Amino acid sequence: AQTVTQSQPEMSVQEAETVTLSCTYDTSESDYYLFWYKQPPSRQMILVIRQEAYKQQNATENRFSVNFQKAAKSFSLKISDSQLGDAAMYFCAIPPESGANNLFFGTGTRLTVIP
Amino acid sequence: NAGVTQTPKFRILKIGQSMTLQCAQDMNHNYMYWYRQDPGMGLKLIYYSVGAGITDKGEVPNGYNVSRSTTEDFPLRLELAAPSQTSVYFCATKQGATNEKLFFGSGTQLSVL
Repeated sequence: AQTVTQSQPEMSVQEAETVTLSCTYDTSESDYYLFWYKQPPSRQMILVIRQEAYKQQNATENRFSVNFQKAAKSFSLKISDSQLGDAAMYFCAIPPESGANNLFFGTGTRLTVIP
Repeated sequence: NAGVTQTPKFRILKIGQSMTLQCAQDMNHNYMYWYRQDPGMGLKLIYYSVGAGITDKGEVPNGYNVSRSTTEDFPLRLELAAPSQTSVYFCATKQGATNEKLFFGSGTQLSVL
């Protein structure tokens, strides 16, 4: 069965410091995409970063980067120079093995940024 | 550019009442989805549609119905509201490819009392 596991329900980081959010998953697909979404208190779901599984190079978007380890099925998100606006729920997601072409989400990590 | 519009933003229902959550998109996307997000949890797929006239069940379809008569609209119907349906409901769309991101509406907070 497909799973997405975020083992850290809550994390905190000092402003300007770096934090890493963990995500592990299981899929029988060989080529797929992985996504990190951010949900601030406004509830809006915002795409942070995505990674294509067959690319060895880790994706980077400004202060956000991933550590993708395909063999270990691990997809962690690193936030550098944390800002107050980074405080949010963060969800890891992968496409399902069935044909819905949607995204299957983890349970999320709540990130608090301490001034 | 409106993107994905959900109405209403908040609603309180009594047990047994019915209602329709509206979702409209102006991006001409083929795929549309309804998710629910329970407190402290991730999003679970209720129903989805790959185009006008085509709908299918997701992970948690019981107690809901959908229709897709046009590309733009994908309403979600609750026929007999139950407290277990208290949740935040999100509509999302994408054009179709697996590498594309989902575009989300701002959600509907529904409480069933």
